[in-house]
Amino acid sequence: DAEITQSPRHKITETGRQVTLACHQTWNHNNMFWYRQDLGHGLRLIHYSYGVHDTNKGEVSDGYSVSRSNTEDLPLTLESAASSQTSVYFCASSDFSNQPQHFGDGTRLSIL
Amino acid sequence: AQSVTQPDIHITVSEGASLELRCNYSYGATPYLFWYVQSPGQGLQLLLKYFSGDTLVQGIKGFEAEFKRSQSSFNLRKPSVHWSDAAEYFCAVEGGATNKLIFGTGTLLAVQP
Repeated sequence: DAEITQSPRHKITETGRQVTLACHQTWNHNNMFWYRQDLGHGLRLIHYSYGVHDTNKGEVSDGYSVSRSNTEDLPLTLESAASSQTSVYFCASSDFSNQPQHFGDGTRLSIL
Repeated sequence: AQSVTQPDIHITVSEGASLELRCNYSYGATPYLFWYVQSPGQGLQLLLKYFSGDTLVQGIKGFEAEFKRSQSSFNLRKPSVHWSDAAEYFCAVEGGATNKLIFGTGTLLAVQP
């Protein structure tokens, strides 16, 4: 069965370090998305991609970057981790507009 | 700008009782609307979606939702709640054929025995 997997599931790191969260999907979807989930805010869009070599900023993109070198993967990088980036991060993928997104199980990131 | 409001942060219902979760959206045209459910430690699972046509849509797990354009609402309903329905529920809107979702802040459902 097709799926979307995130790794690691949990990570603890220190402020100032670079962190990369992995997202891999086997749906062969063109569209991929990164969200962060915080209490009282729901899910907010960080970055998204409509295909290989395409990346776009979302609502809360400061301090984050993504790259899309193939269809399956969209890694999310925190260039210099800050305590405000402590959150649960979700990756999602979708075929195209008006199609529902499929979500991974999330990565819980703690920055001390 | 597009936005989604879920006015109820937390709701408690008794098992077997009916349920209605509220969702209001702001968007100039007819949006694409979704309800997702999230169990603890899990990702989001799609319950149902509305794109066009019949304004009453059926979803998985016995849920349904009704799109009311005049009220800018897309409320989620279930006639009889089961203990396994305890979870967080998110309403989301996609506008402008972008495939980008704007989420509400969620409603946490607790089910009493």
